[in-house]
Amino acid sequence: KAGVTQTPRYLIKTRGQQVTLSCSPISGHRSVSWYQQTPGQGLQFLFEYFSETQRNKGNFPGRFSGRQFSNSRSEMNVSTLELGDSALYLCASSLGGELGTYEQYFGPGTRLTVT
Amino acid sequence: SQQGEEDPQALSIQEGENATMNCSYKTSINNLQWYRQNSGRGLVHLILIRSNEREKHSGRLRVTLDTSKKSSSLLITASRAADTASYFCATKPRTGANNLFFGTGTRLTVIP
Repeated sequence: KAGVTQTPRYLIKTRGQQVTLSCSPISGHRSVSWYQQTPGQGLQFLFEYFSETQRNKGNFPGRFSGRQFSNSRSEMNVSTLELGDSALYLCASSLGGELGTYEQYFGPGTRLTVT
Repeated sequence: SQQGEEDPQALSIQEGENATMNCSYKTSINNLQWYRQNSGRGLVHLILIRSNEREKHSGRLRVTLDTSKKSSSLLITASRAADTASYFCATKPRTGANNLFFGTGTRLTVIP
């Protein structure tokens, strides 16, 4: 089975721009979660999508949004980028059920640098 | 914050030695999971232990859970250079926020 894939792997943007990151989950997995990882804040949960609906949301501003398509692929969008948005963005998929009930499988991440 | 804390923050051992990492958390949990991350890459799931379990094994890994002390430990036996990575615990709260809360991580270095 192919693992979780994320594109692009690296991205450089300037302040004020917007960015879209993509995640393809493991085949058959219906839950996709997004995390932000920074040296200062560690790993923080952004949101989770299940069956094309946002099911859970972390404590991030509305500039961070996402969506999930019928094939379970998910995209995350960040608008009006700020320097503090520089981070490794990780996507994780799991079979479903309640989030966190089962192990999550992570992609390699997208390294976003905002200048 | 519901974020867990790992202890120690960094650990350096010789190949063949055992490595023990601890995780403390604050709220009642449904389960606790351990993940490994090689530098700047995605996380790899290691073990999931449910709140009604006290110990689980997987190969060279042994995880214990003490819900009365709100703590868990991860033991890696007979360490190898390839075990060099950061290790994170993640907790799923029993009530309230429905997501995983990751700890701050332990950076393990295994010296060949």
